[in-house]
Amino acid sequence: DAGITQSPRHKVTETGTPVTLRCHQTENHRYMYWYRQDPGHGLRLIHYSYGVKDTDKGEVSDGYSVSRSKTEDFLLTLESATSSQTSVYFCAIRTEMKSPLHFGNGTRLTVT
Amino acid sequence: GDSVTQMEGPVTLSEEAFLTINCTYTATGYPSLFWYVQYPGEGLQLLLKATKADDKGSNKGFEATYRKETTSFHLEKGSVQVSDSAVYFCALRGGPEGGGNKLTFGTGTQLKVEL
Repeated sequence: DAGITQSPRHKVTETGTPVTLRCHQTENHRYMYWYRQDPGHGLRLIHYSYGVKDTDKGEVSDGYSVSRSKTEDFLLTLESATSSQTSVYFCAIRTEMKSPLHFGNGTRLTVT
Repeated sequence: GDSVTQMEGPVTLSEEAFLTINCTYTATGYPSLFWYVQYPGEGLQLLLKATKADDKGSNKGFEATYRKETTSFHLEKGSVQVSDSAVYFCALRGGPEGGGNKLTFGTGTQLKVEL
């Protein structure tokens, strides 16, 4: 499983509250990604990181921020959760630039 | 920009039937192509890949051939099993001219295999 742990696995929160999802990897891989999965949309890239403190936006970054203060952790924050952010969130890592993605098991977030 | 189109599911087959899941793409440059599989409650796993035209990726009895002339990467398996029931995602990674490192996914096709 490439040593990827996502936490929490499930979360229910109310509209307007901040939420932070954590992705932890044990193998010091440089590249980390956050995707969301929604019916009819497949997986869409939210943000990604190519090293400590080096992050960039993906295609659906509005309403999300990320931080990577150390190699092993990549945090995704919903600053003020909305119902449209109800989704399953996947973290992925890449060992080298052209190697395949390895995914965590996902976090199911429900915003009520 | 890059895009991937997959056939909609669910696809329901009897065990030992032949499987085809269609995938076509639009991309600049020379993309690499992938099929990922997602079992219930899990993340996506790489199933197979092809990095240049006419390459055939294969794994676990599944195959897909990179067809540049038809911009397709259809997934096939000669005899499916109940354990193949999952959601299958086609994806591409753009070539150097078209965005480098990021993956673009299709919407996924659910496969259900029945006894």
